[in-house]
Amino acid sequence: KNEVEQSPQNLTAQEGEFITINCSYSVGISALHWLQQHPGGGIVSLFMLSSGKKKHGRLIATINIQEKHSSLHITASHPRDSAVYICAVRRQETSGSRLTFGEGTQLTVNP
Amino acid sequence: NAGVMQNPRHLVRRRGQEARLRCSPMKGHSHVYWYRQLPEEGLKFMVYLQKENIIDESGMPKERFSAEFPKEGPSILRIQQVVRGDSAAYFCASSPQLGQAEAFFGQGTRLTVV
Repeated sequence: KNEVEQSPQNLTAQEGEFITINCSYSVGISALHWLQQHPGGGIVSLFMLSSGKKKHGRLIATINIQEKHSSLHITASHPRDSAVYICAVRRQETSGSRLTFGEGTQLTVNP
Repeated sequence: NAGVMQNPRHLVRRRGQEARLRCSPMKGHSHVYWYRQLPEEGLKFMVYLQKENIIDESGMPKERFSAEFPKEGPSILRIQQVVRGDSAAYFCASSPQLGQAEAFFGQGTRLTVV
C-alpha cells in the first residue's frame, strides 16, 4: 500500500464546477505539498501545509493532521486548470525536504 | 531570480551511452533533490545532496547511477550505460534550508533511450 493515496485517479468536470481532490497518508509528516503538473511540463508547487487551511485565488487546500487527510479544492473550474495534481508529504523522520508522492489526479475541465 | 534550471530539457541516448543531466538550483539554495518519474508512474525520490555532500541516496539504483553537487557549478545526475528502462522524466528540486522549506522544481529532463 502506498504511503500517500490520492482520489480520484481521474476527474472530468464541466467549466465552472467545484472540484475536490483528496489525499490520505499513513505516516507522520512535517508538511504536505500540493503540486501541479501540466502535460510535458514542469512541476509547480501550489501549497505547502502543516496545519489548517490555505487559499490562493480559486484554490483552497486544507489538512487534518489527526485524520491524516488533505483536500485540494478548485472553485469555478476552468479548462486551464486541466493538469495532474499531486499530493506529496515530507515524512517526519526523513532528511531535508525530501518528498514522498501520491500517484496524482488527472483533472480535465471541459468548456 | 531565476527558478531551478534543468538542462537539457530533452535528451536522447542510445543503449549503452552515458546520460548527464544538469540542475542549477535557485539562487541561495544549497539543497538539491533528484526525482524520477517513469512513464505512467508517480514521482520517486532518488537522491538528496548539499554542496559537496551526498546526504541521502537511498532512492538511487545501486549500479550505473551517480550524483554530485560540486562547490561550483550545477548538480549532475549521471547515468552510465543507459538501458531502455531508464527512459523517464528526471526532476530536480531545490530548497534554501532544512525544516519547513518550500519545494521549487525545475522543468525536468525527459530522457529517451533508443
